[in-house]
Amino acid sequence: DAKTTQPTSMDCAEGRAANLPCNHSTISGNEYVYWYRQIHSQGPQYIIHGLKNNETNEMASLIITEDRKSSTLILPHATLRDTAVYYCIASRDNQGGKLIFGQGTELSVKP
Amino acid sequence: EAQVTQNPRYLITVTGKKLTVTCSQNMNHEYMSWYRQDPGLGLRQIYYSMNVEVTDKGDVPEGYKVSRKEKRNFPLILESPSPNQTSLYFCASSSRRGEPQHFGDGTRLSIL
Repeated sequence: DAKTTQPTSMDCAEGRAANLPCNHSTISGNEYVYWYRQIHSQGPQYIIHGLKNNETNEMASLIITEDRKSSTLILPHATLRDTAVYYCIASRDNQGGKLIFGQGTELSVKP
Repeated sequence: EAQVTQNPRYLITVTGKKLTVTCSQNMNHEYMSWYRQDPGLGLRQIYYSMNVEVTDKGDVPEGYKVSRKEKRNFPLILESPSPNQTSLYFCASSSRRGEPQHFGDGTRLSIL
């Protein structure tokens, strides 16, 4: 699975959009980009995933560049409850569902 | 409500005393996994299962056993726990390859 690189931490003002970048320059054609988040020491929570096209759901939007070497997770109106560690994962998921979690981005949403 | 349930949530025990952490999911998922999370090391997969009676090692299987006798349950067994297995453990399940994984709330184990 491709290695991903994320900033260690980011701040965002409450009510503003949070844009979390992820670099996955070695991603292969059959690898999806997944985003999960973990609040404190709770279980990771799935947010969104995509292969080539941009995706949107009730939680967030995922923008994947045309060359697929990077992506951005967008939380359109961040709230204090969105404060968490966000993980970007590139995975073929063809080995028993293994996800390789890196260090993630610690997002702090401030009032 | 769709969920993955782990028990116990917290356990303090001593070296060598066998313990089992249970994991149950109510979504009829085929795939189940166990991860451990340690500071600075992220989440690492211990074992996974692709269906009943089908299990395989993840990245850090030493000192652990699993079984998958029923689709909904995937217990993690520590036959002879040691202090280096003190960690936060998560069970996860997914419906099939490529689908998002659902995680339990975690089990914090302390082995003295």
